[in-house]
Amino acid sequence: GENVEQHPSTLSVQEGDSAVIKCTYSDSASNYFPWYKQELGKGPQLIIDIRSNVGEKKDQRIAVTLNKTAKHFSLHITETQPEDSAVYFCAASWTNSGYSTLTFGKGTMLLVSP
Amino acid sequence: GAVVSQHPSRVICKSGTSVKIECRSLDFQATTMFWYRQFPKKSLMLMATSNEGSKATYEQGVEKDKFLINHASLTLSTLTVTSAHPEDSSFYICSARESYGETQYFGPGTRLLVL
Repeated sequence: GENVEQHPSTLSVQEGDSAVIKCTYSDSASNYFPWYKQELGKGPQLIIDIRSNVGEKKDQRIAVTLNKTAKHFSLHITETQPEDSAVYFCAASWTNSGYSTLTFGKGTMLLVSP
Repeated sequence: GAVVSQHPSRVICKSGTSVKIECRSLDFQATTMFWYRQFPKKSLMLMATSNEGSKATYEQGVEKDKFLINHASLTLSTLTVTSAHPEDSSFYICSARESYGETQYFGPGTRLLVL
């Protein structure tokens, strides 16, 4: 089955700095890679996703890059703000005829200090 | 759009009782819903995949008779924790996927405490 490794487990940055979280996956058939943000006591919220036919996707301060050859993808947050502090999860899935399940990384706790 | 609700948000029950958690997709139809369990400071662990109108598919190690899942409509799935014990205390989260999509949208979670 799929295995997703996520690094780092914790990341502390100053407000305004950039933050980068990296994930690797094992199954070359995986073709969908979402990122979720989870605040304390709440459910995960989808913040950005990328499909295997795209190398990069950007949404305001958030961007995701995908390297299919190396089987890794990264989340980039620029101009970080204290409200970006949360746990971020990457995930990978392989979709076939509507069937797919997500395999999650172990999460990265991001702390943005004012 | 793509809002998923869960009810209740938190529940406290006595050991031996059963607890039902509801998961609803509010503005889209979800052929497939997923149930996850999350321990403190840990990642999400998939328990089962629930398909509308058919039996749920349970992950290895998850007792189907312990965690009963019903997906009777395209907008509602329920998880019933039967004969709950303190070790069942956890954060349970559902997600829903649109009928013709691959994105999973998560509910806010249900905190279960079994005394």
